[in-house]
Amino acid sequence: GAGVSQSPSNKVTEKGKDVELRCDPISGHTALYWYRQRLGQGLEFLIYFQGNSAPDKSGLPSDRFSAERTGESVSTLTIQRTQQEDSAVYLCASSPYFGDTEAFFGQGTRLTVV
Amino acid sequence: QQQVKQSPQSLIVQKGGISIINCAYENTAFDYFPWYQQFPGKGPALLIAIRPDVSEKKEGRFTISFNKSAKQFSLHIMDSQPGDSATYFCAATLSGNTPLVFGKGTRLSVIA
Repeated sequence: GAGVSQSPSNKVTEKGKDVELRCDPISGHTALYWYRQRLGQGLEFLIYFQGNSAPDKSGLPSDRFSAERTGESVSTLTIQRTQQEDSAVYLCASSPYFGDTEAFFGQGTRLTVV
Repeated sequence: QQQVKQSPQSLIVQKGGISIINCAYENTAFDYFPWYQQFPGKGPALLIAIRPDVSEKKEGRFTISFNKSAKQFSLHIMDSQPGDSATYFCAATLSGNTPLVFGKGTRLSVIA
């Protein structure tokens, strides 16, 4: 089966524009996570979804960031009015359930705000 | 608040040598400690993981040593190879309650 798929792989956008990043998790995985990786930095937690529970949005850096997930499938991360500091690789991961289990990461979307 | 501190930031090791990466955590409730390996242009992938009920776990050339009292754990790569050159991240979580919290990563270069 396919792994976690993210699209687009690269996105260049102008400052102030909105962008939408997509994540297709592994089928059957109930937990889905978004992380941000700035150049040379670690993985910064943004948000996670677990089944039908309310998402944990505690890592979102500002109200310009939002995410949705349809059931246990596709998730989209939206960044409104992009700023240059939003430039980073956005990584999505999924796991069979939320807890002490392997998180499978996609290749990420490299976002560049110019 | 950085809950997992990782060192060193970068590491250069000769082929055949031992690579050692260290992590320290703050939350004593954490109960799962994985290491992830990331190659350029790829997402991180699970390498090896440990729970606090054991002090060491070995898988091939990779070993995690865990010191619960010191709240520290480390990754040892024996007989390091150029193919091991990658960025390594330690992480920690409280199962079922928190997402993985990652260290800042260590860039390992194994030179021939």
